[in-house]
Amino acid sequence: KNQVEQSPQSLIILEGKNCTLQCNYTVSPFSNLRWYKQDTGRGPVSLTIMTFSENTKSNGRYTATLDADTKQSSLHITASQLSDSASYICVVLAQRADYKLSFGAGTTVTVRA
Amino acid sequence: DAGVIQSPRHEVTEMGQEVTLRCKPISGHNSLFWYRQTMMRGLELLIYFNNNVPIDDSGMPEDRFSAKMPNASFSTLKIQPSEPRDSAVYFCASSRGTPNGELFFGEGSRLTVL
Repeated sequence: KNQVEQSPQSLIILEGKNCTLQCNYTVSPFSNLRWYKQDTGRGPVSLTIMTFSENTKSNGRYTATLDADTKQSSLHITASQLSDSASYICVVLAQRADYKLSFGAGTTVTVRA
Repeated sequence: DAGVIQSPRHEVTEMGQEVTLRCKPISGHNSLFWYRQTMMRGLELLIYFNNNVPIDDSGMPEDRFSAKMPNASFSTLKIQPSEPRDSAVYFCASSRGTPNGELFFGEGSRLTVL
């Protein structure tokens, strides 16, 4: 079973609207959680990195939240733009000697005009 | 900064042929990673180098896959012989220091094995 589960698998929203993506993880012990944006045909690009002590982190119109107690994170996109159409991947780093990253399957967001 | 540079961007080859993918990490980054991405399995770590030394190659599928990092600015991932199930996008990524740091991905090499 994947240690990082994302929902929904995909969503379609109208330009200008907001949306929220979910990430639940079981990775332990926890080091940090990252959200990446991957445009079609491109490599993933980091949006945020959050450690245990951080509850909220913003990067422009992207706001990530983290609840380390419930092992849940969300990524909120405000006032979506066509350029937000992409796959958003949640990644969790375990605090272990091997520094293994666990990847979610991603949420595909399609923004329509 | 030029970012992580991968070549080729696309490769189409026939089963049994040798494939070599190349990566130039960001200057000053001492950790380098090779990932494979497929629709079915998402992103999977193949191998991780730190200071040019392979640290974790547990993700390398089988002996047909090999990776080298002869110096701090160059790495290769070789598949010999290639098989259709190797078709995927292969990403190289680098970071400064340990994997605890931010990871920067290249644009990927899309491999199709016929």
